[in-house]
Amino acid sequence: DAGITQSPRHKVTETGTPVTLRCHQTENHRYMYWYRQDPGHGLRLIHYSYGVKDTDKGEVSDGYSVSRSKTEDFLLTLESATSSQTSVYFCATLTSGGSTDTQYFGPGTRLTVL
Amino acid sequence: QKEVEQNSGPLSVPEGAIASLNCTYSDRGSQSFFWYRQYSGKSPELIMFIYSNGDKEDGRFTAQLNKASQYVSLLIRDSQPSDSATYLCAVSNTGNQFYFGTGTSLTVIP
Repeated sequence: DAGITQSPRHKVTETGTPVTLRCHQTENHRYMYWYRQDPGHGLRLIHYSYGVKDTDKGEVSDGYSVSRSKTEDFLLTLESATSSQTSVYFCATLTSGGSTDTQYFGPGTRLTVL
Repeated sequence: QKEVEQNSGPLSVPEGAIASLNCTYSDRGSQSFFWYRQYSGKSPELIMFIYSNGDKEDGRFTAQLNKASQYVSLLIRDSQPSDSATYLCAVSNTGNQFYFGTGTSLTVIP
């Protein structure tokens, strides 16, 4: 358990509204990630962060922005939600040490855009 | 495009049998390889990882890696109904980015 929480856990919103999802970790991990998971597509990386204020895009970053002002918090913002962004969103952190670095996941946020 | 391919299944095995899950990857620069288990409606949880060619055993689970063939597999011995889940294969590179397959659905029949 990497001490990751996500909020909200469920959200229903309307097309065109901004939405912010929060990921909070208690382990002081440097790397944090946002994924979306859709049937038939698996987990796809949206954005990731390698430190405070240091972020980079993943393979499906269009329509999303992120911010990381503190080590423990990584925010994902849908600037103007669309129905195609209906998905389950997972946050993950990277645990370093031992023989390899490993990702651990938060509980997920189920987002529905009507 | 860094691709990770898995047979989506569903794979059904009787209780007590060996379940074999397979994964291929396209990026020869991949460094580490992971198997995650995901129950319906839950987040992925790490089962095990491997980074050297050969076999790695952890309880009922064995991961096998063949970098020359770009192939990684997971064997589950003495399969239990509680093993019924979707299994995700993931690979990572030196840039700490992870790439996931779409998962294989496993059903263990009592």
